[in-house]
Amino acid sequence: GAVVSQHPSRVICKSGTSVKIECRSLDFQATTMFWYRQFPKKSLMLMATSNEGSKATYEQGVEKDKFLINHASLTLSTLTVTSAHPEDSSFYICSASLAGVVGTQYFGPGTRLLVL
Amino acid sequence: KNEVEQSPQNLTAQEGEFITINCSYSVGISALHWLQQHPGGGIVSLFMLSSGKKKHGRLIATINIQEKHSSLHITASHPRDSAVYICAVSVENYGQNFVFGPGTRLSVLP
Repeated sequence: GAVVSQHPSRVICKSGTSVKIECRSLDFQATTMFWYRQFPKKSLMLMATSNEGSKATYEQGVEKDKFLINHASLTLSTLTVTSAHPEDSSFYICSASLAGVVGTQYFGPGTRLLVL
Repeated sequence: KNEVEQSPQNLTAQEGEFITINCSYSVGISALHWLQQHPGGGIVSLFMLSSGKKKHGRLIATINIQEKHSSLHITASHPRDSAVYICAVSVENYGQNFVFGPGTRLSVLP
């Protein structure tokens, strides 16, 4: 149980295009989903926290107009990297919290984005 | 000073060795988590601890709340244990958010 999927697993795009990454909780309802970015050999950096049906809370320094987050249902959150640039190339990971269970996150497999 | 620290940063071991990774934290927590990240990037939750000790197969995790310290032990290590091990804490009154340690990169040689 508690499986989180991400799609796509890998994406290459041209500079200036937008890329959407989906995060789904497959067998549970997730009231809260988290989006992380990870640079090579570095730890996870929280970008934003999204709660179903409300606006995402972004961490300091993360541009909300650049990284659009939508959490329209209890099983799906999306991260859209708008007008992507090479510096946006990174590994993006989502996690989901089980509704009603404090202190637990289940992680997706991650999406590797390369912007040319 | 980071709120969650780990040691060592990097560790190379021979197959079969007993391995210990340490985590110390400086905040009040509701739980501590040990996570495993394989080279492909996916993260697996190994343990969630709020007290005492847990065991799962060859993995053992302990926590000392008074000393704000946790250890992850791997017995009879195997090359497939090679991964980055991340200590993360759920901070008291901080909702569902985790605070992550920097990770320990483990390589187990055959």
